[in-house]
Amino acid sequence: GAGVSQSPSNKVTEKGKDVELRCDPISGHTALYWYRQRLGQGLEFLIYFQGNSAPDKSGLPSDRFSAERTGESVSTLTIQRTQQEDSAVYLCASSLLWGNTEAFFGQGTRLTVV
Amino acid sequence: AQTVTQSQPEMSVQEAETVTLSCTYDTSESDYYLFWYKQPPSRQMILVIRQEAYKQQNATENRFSVNFQKAAKSFSLKISDSQLGDAAMYFCAYRSAWRSDSSNYQLIWGAGTKLIIKP
Repeated sequence: GAGVSQSPSNKVTEKGKDVELRCDPISGHTALYWYRQRLGQGLEFLIYFQGNSAPDKSGLPSDRFSAERTGESVSTLTIQRTQQEDSAVYLCASSLLWGNTEAFFGQGTRLTVV
Repeated sequence: AQTVTQSQPEMSVQEAETVTLSCTYDTSESDYYLFWYKQPPSRQMILVIRQEAYKQQNATENRFSVNFQKAAKSFSLKISDSQLGDAAMYFCAYRSAWRSDSSNYQLIWGAGTKLIIKP
């Protein structure tokens, strides 16, 4: 596709369940970011994949959060044993590795833990 | 490590007036890129304008322009003739340029400024 695609758009899950969020980046974009955004707040960095280098996982808030990316393709963010405080919009962005090109964002996944 | 600061959590402006959003950053690098993004209530983040640090000329995109002061590490966004559609969160971001001794080109974000347009 032409842009960054995230699925699902909305997800309601019960506390304690695991969820998997998907991001399809723009083809050829070697950099991929995951962010969490609570209502009315800024971007909270979660994880950054940069080409074949080891990902920067420094933003993951707990060991319940993990993310994978195979090569330069799809990435999945997994949240295990979801808690109510995990409720937020999860945004994915991709970009070329360097240069003045911007990051392109998906529409995000709104996660609600009930 | 680089940091980006947006000191105005919220700004309001009358429709058709001009408003300036501030952004300062801290870095020891000489070459980098700066961006302003807009996030309307639809939550789709879109690029408003970008600036290369090696360029002295301020970037402009229609009603949007920046005041880039490299020595002061300041990168403010001016919106002229404000329109109702400009209401959104605005985020400032920093990205390193390529360096042979670095491999981290991650975007560094400010906390955002909520812009309210008064009709």
